[in-house]
Amino acid sequence: DTAVSQTPKYLVTQMGNDKSIKCEQNLGHDTMYWYKQDSKKFLKIMFSYNNKELIINETVPNRFSPKSPDKAHLNLHINSLELGDSAVYFCASSQVPGADTDTQYFGPGTRLTVL
Amino acid sequence: QKEVEQNSGPLSVPEGAIASLNCTYSDRGSQSFFWYRQYSGKSPELIMFIYSNGDKEDGRFTAQLNKASQYVSLLIRDSQPSDSATYLCAVNDYKLSFGAGTTVTVRA
Repeated sequence: DTAVSQTPKYLVTQMGNDKSIKCEQNLGHDTMYWYKQDSKKFLKIMFSYNNKELIINETVPNRFSPKSPDKAHLNLHINSLELGDSAVYFCASSQVPGADTDTQYFGPGTRLTVL
Repeated sequence: QKEVEQNSGPLSVPEGAIASLNCTYSDRGSQSFFWYRQYSGKSPELIMFIYSNGDKEDGRFTAQLNKASQYVSLLIRDSQPSDSATYLCAVNDYKLSFGAGTTVTVRA
């Protein structure tokens, strides 16, 4: 049974479109994250939700809007897609953010290509 | 200044050798550090974490932490071709701040 799952795995779309990526975790964790990995493989935090509450919001364009309907789900909606949004987006979850031993578990990633 | 810096790769080592990966961090208050491995086209997976000064061993992997020097390292002993991947160092501060990664290739 997959611990952190994302859909879709691949997403190819035109500039200006709006798209969503969904994430679900069955680990019982309270905290979920979105990371972006660019073409140079640099992995950077975008958002974090703890029990449906936004706790981390890095300097991300407001075209990106996360939504957490419950603590097991965290979706990412992107408006007016731009070429620079092309990347792999990873969802992750953990139990006690900030704890020395808190381990984040990553989903398989969604490769977004904007044409 | 980047928060987490890793030695630039790629790093190529022969099978059976020791691969040594280095990482420095800028925030002296950082407490815990994680090493993740990422195979091409896959998601990061945890190798180990460390939060006390000194060495921590797990199988063929040893993490070393020196908070005074703001330095974390990972040693891979008896490197195998299956260890060929990108290794990511991360600082834990309610989020993971990653370094750019070091790509390791183990030559058979």
